[in-house]
Amino acid sequence: DQQVKQNSPSLSVQEGRISILNCDYTNSMFDYFLWYKKYPAEGPTFLISISSIKDKNEDGRFTVFLNKSAKHLSLHIVPSQPGDSAVYFCAARRGLSGTYKYIFGTGTRLKVLA
Amino acid sequence: NAGVTQTPKFQVLKTGQSMTLQCAQDMNHEYMSWYRQDPGMGLRLIHYSVGAGITDQGEVPNGYNVSRSTTEDFPLRLLSAAPSQTSVYFCASSYSGSPLHFGNGTRLTVT
Repeated sequence: DQQVKQNSPSLSVQEGRISILNCDYTNSMFDYFLWYKKYPAEGPTFLISISSIKDKNEDGRFTVFLNKSAKHLSLHIVPSQPGDSAVYFCAARRGLSGTYKYIFGTGTRLKVLA
Repeated sequence: NAGVTQTPKFQVLKTGQSMTLQCAQDMNHEYMSWYRQDPGMGLRLIHYSVGAGITDQGEVPNGYNVSRSTTEDFPLRLLSAAPSQTSVYFCASSYSGSPLHFGNGTRLTVT
């Protein structure tokens, strides 16, 4: 039972254009969402997060949007750069008083073409 | 600042052998966890700990043991390795409310 789903295993985008990575979840108890980036032979690194009390969070070129009614979040990268080529994981967590279980999606491999 | 350190980086085991994957963090994080990454499966939680002496199971705990005797260390023990445990293992830590910090992983092959 996959509680966090990333239905696109891969995505290719031209340099300078927008990359949009999508993530769906099923558990309405999740209230904190994160995106991680992973390069080969390295551990995932934190990129950006959003609390369920917000619908948007920005950090430079990265913006995460949350649609609670649709149980959907997306990561926008504008403009995309070749260095953004990596695997991106979305993750979800219940509140601080919860079980500290971070549930991850299956990942989307982004390739930014120069 | 080393962050989260995992050893070894690579390991090959024969079916039935046991071993311990080491994880240490120097950030005084109370929360530590182990994930495995498999193709098409993403990162799946094996075990986690919210402090010294406290551990709990994640999504895929079978075949693995953990203990947390200190804040810094959270070893993962494979009791009797099986080919299905061939994977990349990541250890992560955080303090309350913060995102997870990951180590660089241990690639394990069980033949």
